[in-house]
This record gives sequence, C-alpha cells and structure tokens, in this order.
Amino acid sequence: DAGVIQSPRHEVTEMGQEVTLRCKPISGHNSLFWYRQTMMRGLELLIYFNNNVPIDDSGMPEDRFSAKMPNASFSTLKIQPSEPRDSAVYFCASSFLRPGEKLFFGSGTQLSVL
Amino acid sequence: KNQVEQSPQSLIILEGKNCTLQCNYTVSPFSNLRWYKQDTGRGPVSLTIMTFSENTKSNGRYTATLDADTKQSSLHITASQLSDSASYICVVSAGGNKLVFGAGTILRVKS
Repeated sequence: DAGVIQSPRHEVTEMGQEVTLRCKPISGHNSLFWYRQTMMRGLELLIYFNNNVPIDDSGMPEDRFSAKMPNASFSTLKIQPSEPRDSAVYFCASSFLRPGEKLFFGSGTQLSVL
Repeated sequence: KNQVEQSPQSLIILEGKNCTLQCNYTVSPFSNLRWYKQDTGRGPVSLTIMTFSENTKSNGRYTATLDADTKQSSLHITASQLSDSASYICVVSAGGNKLVFGAGTILRVKS
C-alpha cells in the first residue's frame, strides 16, 4: 500500500482565493482525519469522518473551511476564501476506528497564503 | 482540561549519545499513550503505544516508559544516530476517539 496520499505537497496562493486540499486514505481504513500543524499550536484536529460521515467538525475554525468525503477513497478540505492566517501544514490521516488505534499520516500539504 | 506537556522543547546531542524525552499528561479518562516520530517534511509515524498496565516497552533503540500514577511517560533513545533527528510527539488517547497531542520535542543529533 502506498500509504495516505495527499496533494498538492505545496500550495502558494493569494488571500481571497479558494484552496482545495486532497487526500486518499489507506484502503480498508474506515476513519479519516484532517489536522492542521503550526509552530505555535502544534497539531490540531479539524474534522474526522467515520465511514465517510463527518463525526466531529468542532475543530473547523470557521465557515470558510469545509470538508467532504464523497467515498471511502477520497476526501477534500476546502478553504474559501483563504487568509494569510490559514498558512500551515495540513495533514490527512487514516485509521481503523478503534480506541487508541494508531493514525497513518500523509506527508502533508504546506499551504502559504500571501 | 485535558493537556499533554512535553519537555524539553528542543534538544541537541552528539551522535552516539543517549537522551530522554519527557511527557506529562492530565487526560481523563486515560486509554493509552503513543509516541510519534515526525521527520522534517513528513507526517508523524507511530513508534510505540503504552497502555495502562504497561510500564516499559522497547522498539529497537527506543524505550518508552509509563507511570500511570504520576501520569508521566518518557522516551529514551539509546546510541543516537543522525536519522533520529526529528520531532517526537506524545499523544494521549482520552477514550473513544479523543486524542490529545503534545507540542513535541525537537531533537537534533549532531555528528
């Protein structure tokens, strides 16, 4: 298995533009997580899905952020409109939904909003 | 409030030396504790998991300990190598799917 695949690896955009981040989880995993990582705040959970259904989106900072999981093999995180404070590394992770199960992370998308 | 505190914030050691990273947590209920290693430009990778009943667990040159009474864990790295340079993140599972992340310790191993 190739692991969790994220694209793009790097994204540079201007304030106000729409940004879409993509994730392909490991085949067979039933849970998918979106995290944001910054130096100041470390890793923060934005949202997670179980069997393609959003379970907890309390970490989504505001309405500018939205996430979808149309099927078991694909998810997107969209920011519209983007702002400079959204600049961070966004990680997607997948796992089996069992308490304490380890997460498999993708390599992340480095987002810079100018 | 559920919190995970890691120390030191950063650490520089010479290749071949040992080091110990600390993790203190106030998480309830406690399910388990994981140490993740995050290389620069990569996502975190799980090194080891500690459950309530485990005191010590080794994974090669990495040895994790857990004291559930004092709510402390440590990660000891023996005979460090340049490839150990990374951020080490302590993650505590609060039951269910609630994970509490520490801010990480940045380790740099110098030759």
